[in-house]
Amino acid sequence: DIQMTQSPSSVSASVGDRVTITCRASQGINRWLAWYQQKPGIAPKLLIYTTSTLQSGVPSRFSGSGSGTDFTLTISSLQPEDFATYYCQQANSFPLTFGGGTKVEIK
Amino acid sequence: EVQLVESGGGLIQPGGSLRLSCAASGFTFSNYWMHWVRQAPGKGLVYVSRISSDGSSTNYADSVKGRFTISRDNAENTLYLQMNSLRVEDTAVYYCARALSNTLINWFDPWGQGTLVTVSS
Repeated sequence: DIQMTQSPSSVSASVGDRVTITCRASQGINRWLAWYQQKPGIAPKLLIYTTSTLQSGVPSRFSGSGSGTDFTLTISSLQPEDFATYYCQQANSFPLTFGGGTKVEIK
Repeated sequence: EVQLVESGGGLIQPGGSLRLSCAASGFTFSNYWMHWVRQAPGKGLVYVSRISSDGSSTNYADSVKGRFTISRDNAENTLYLQMNSLRVEDTAVYYCARALSNTLINWFDPWGQGTLVTVSS
C-alpha cells in the first residue's frame, strides 16, 4: 500500500496568513493526488484533484502543486471559514489511501 | 441537488452483522462508481471499498476483505455495505461517496453525511 504522510499535523495561523501543507507519498503517484477539507461533524469536501485542478465552487485562494512523491496545498490568504482539517488522498493505485490530516487552527 | 443519505448504523456486538444503505438522488446513479470511506472517532479517513457503475467490479481494503460486501441496486438508486464479523476496530462513521465523474472514478464528490457504527459489547 502507498503510505501518505502529511506535515505538519497541525498549524496555527491567523486570518490573512499564507498556509502551506505538505503531503509525501511512499512511492511515486504521478499527479494522482487530491485534497479534501473537513470541518468538525461534517463530511469531507473535495477541494483539489489531480494535484492542481480546483473543484467547482472552491475559492481560488486554494492551490495545489507537485508530482511524483511530494505535493503541497497552499491557502494564499487564510479566511475564517478555512479553519478545518485537510487530508490528501492518492489515486495512483488501490487501495486508495489518505494522509493523516493537517488541522489548521486559529492563532 | 445531488444528495447521498446513509442509514443503518447503530450499536452492534462484536461478531455481529449490519447493513448500511446510501440513498442517492439528483443524478443518474447508474453512471457512477461509488465508494465507502470510514472515520474512527477523532481519527483520519480510511478507505473501505468501491463498486463500479454497473456493479460488476468491486474492491476492498485488506482490513475488511472477506467480511464486508459492497453492492448496489441501480433501479432503487441505493448503495449498500454488508458488514459481517464486526470487530471493535470497525467502530467509525461510515461515509458513502460518489465518484467525481464517470471517468474520474477515484476522487470523491459529493459525500453523504455519514452513519455511525459502534461495535461494542
